[in-house]
Amino acid sequence: DIVMTQSPDSLAVSLGERATINCKSSQSLLDSSNSKNFLAWYQQKPGQPPKLLIYWASTRESGVPDRFSGSGSGTDFTLTISSLQAEDVAVYYCQQYYGSLFFGGGTKVEIK
Amino acid sequence: QVQLQESGPGLVKPSETLSLTCTVSGGSISTFYWSWIRQPPGKGLEWIGYIFHSGSANYNPSLKSRVTMSVDTSKNQFSLRLSSVTAADTAVYFCARGSGNASGSWGQGILVTVSS
Repeated sequence: DIVMTQSPDSLAVSLGERATINCKSSQSLLDSSNSKNFLAWYQQKPGQPPKLLIYWASTRESGVPDRFSGSGSGTDFTLTISSLQAEDVAVYYCQQYYGSLFFGGGTKVEIK
Repeated sequence: QVQLQESGPGLVKPSETLSLTCTVSGGSISTFYWSWIRQPPGKGLEWIGYIFHSGSANYNPSLKSRVTMSVDTSKNQFSLRLSSVTAADTAVYFCARGSGNASGSWGQGILVTVSS
């Protein structure tokens, strides 16, 4: 099984500052046939289902603000919120979808 | 825009079988793959499994011995059965649509409590 490890478990960031979340996979998520990484990022607010933010490690879903960006390849990935807004307070999950669909443990983002 | 809606009992007794259905509207179930994910209260997301319209399925190894998924293309529905439930299976259960672009469409979720 592919194990997804997120860090940190939580972080507090001032409004307008940068938030960075890391995700590490126990196996490479890079498909050599298309050079795409099967890694997605989701945002979940209380009482709501997860919302897809990023797929293919760096492609923003339609309608997602451009302050959200994804980077990385292979086994190491990062979600960056360039300028934290109040509405970004949530739990963020990475997910690999390379055959199975395992999630990372989640990172809680709060306002400092 | 595709919509998904979970339905089923909100309370299941220990050792019994949990059964849920996800109804898909605004799109055909005959494309993409269809997943079940759960979230125990206050905890993270756990993938249960997914199924294609053909009936081919892939389950989380940790749950595989207790999980069965099925699809009914005539009703645009897919279903989850989880046997021999315990309190540890208490969770919000989500259904979702998956593709090469990950899972962009989710149901609102249904809380299932395992208790006598």
